[in-house]
Amino acid sequence: KQEVTQIPAALSVPEGENLVLNCSFTDSAIYNLQWFRQDPGKGLTSLLLIQSSQREQTSGRLNASLDKSSGRSTLYIAASQPGDSATYLCAVFNNAGNMLTFGGGTRLMVKP
Amino acid sequence: DTAVSQTPKYLVTQMGNDKSIKCEQNLGHDTMYWYKQDSKKFLKIMFSYNNKELIINETVPNRFSPKSPDKAHLNLHINSLELGDSAVYFCASSRAGQTPYFGPGTRLTVT
Repeated sequence: KQEVTQIPAALSVPEGENLVLNCSFTDSAIYNLQWFRQDPGKGLTSLLLIQSSQREQTSGRLNASLDKSSGRSTLYIAASQPGDSATYLCAVFNNAGNMLTFGGGTRLMVKP
Repeated sequence: DTAVSQTPKYLVTQMGNDKSIKCEQNLGHDTMYWYKQDSKKFLKIMFSYNNKELIINETVPNRFSPKSPDKAHLNLHINSLELGDSAVYFCASSRAGQTPYFGPGTRLTVT
């Protein structure tokens, strides 16, 4: 059974810092990996999707990498801003593409 | 023009009651899901439906019964509510293997 772990569980940084969020998964037979953002009391917003055949994806200040063989992904946030404060969730789709398993999230606080 | 909508947004009810949460998507997706987010914010899949057919049921008590009248709707009915059912329930939809779109969530509080 797929298990997804995110480290750290919480992170507090001053504005402007570059930071890395980590995600690991136990079963490397995945269809794709996705990073989401969740603001307090809100739903989930998709940030980046990496297909199993890809190594990384970039969107603005965000860069996500995938090492499928080792079961790891990182989300890199450059020049963090207070508006980046949220919970970041990593999730993997199984091979059939019909089940998304989430990690526990990293709660990020960027202080002005 | 909401993509995935859920009603109600908040639901407060007493133990033992039966309640339903409705979900609708207007994206033409063929797969719909229900997720439960507990007090520790951990998101767990409950059900996955593809073209109105149940394809995943992840160890959910049979007090929870999903109903998909058509591809655009996946409702969740809960019988005999318990305190431990208090959580935020998210509906989502996607094409198979593609980014799911999540609804805004329904915060269920059982007293």
